[in-house]
Amino acid sequence: TQLLEQSPQFLSIQEGENLTVYCNSSSVFSSLQWYRQEPGEGPVLLVTVVTGGEVKKLKRLTFQFGDARKDSSLHITAAQPGDTGLYLCAGPRSYNTDKLIFGTGTRLQVFP
Amino acid sequence: EPEVTQTPSHQVTQMGQEVILRCVPISNHLYFYWYRQILGQKVEFLVSFYNNEISEKSEIFDDQFSVERPDGSNFTLKIRSTKLEDSAMYFCASSGAADPNTGELFFGEGSRLTVL
Repeated sequence: TQLLEQSPQFLSIQEGENLTVYCNSSSVFSSLQWYRQEPGEGPVLLVTVVTGGEVKKLKRLTFQFGDARKDSSLHITAAQPGDTGLYLCAGPRSYNTDKLIFGTGTRLQVFP
Repeated sequence: EPEVTQTPSHQVTQMGQEVILRCVPISNHLYFYWYRQILGQKVEFLVSFYNNEISEKSEIFDDQFSVERPDGSNFTLKIRSTKLEDSAMYFCASSGAADPNTGELFFGEGSRLTVL
């Protein structure tokens, strides 16, 4: 069974701190996506990384795809209370499937 | 901004009853999906739908589940005889592209199903 394990599961930090969330698998993914989900809402796509080693930046968020395409990380600089939410990584197993496998999630709480 | 809308937002039903969850995908999208999230667990793929037929389904999507696009706008998930373990948040999603490596998936806000 293919799994995407995220760490840490929970993270509580103060506003202004930096943090990194990890998404790891023993399997290769053709791409990985990062979503943020707020309570009572559906996941919202933040970014898709496709090429091994790729780095993408979205304001204070930096996403990296591992060289072997088995892992990804999300780094947030100077976290703000508005960053609070559940962060999910997800990916399709191959190029010929539209089934997304979701990670276990990291719940982030940023205190003012 | 276009969005995926789902109804009802919450449904409570008795075990064994039929339930229909409704979704209105983004109007120019062609690929439709249902995912579910049991409380405290991962988001799980149920089914994908394109060109009026199922393109892929998971092992969860057994004979009790069916999907339909009865008109040009609605996309429904039917559970024929609900079980306690069907209690979950059900998310509809749509995409303008078949390739999840490049296309963006838009999720609705979910329908919470509680089976008693």
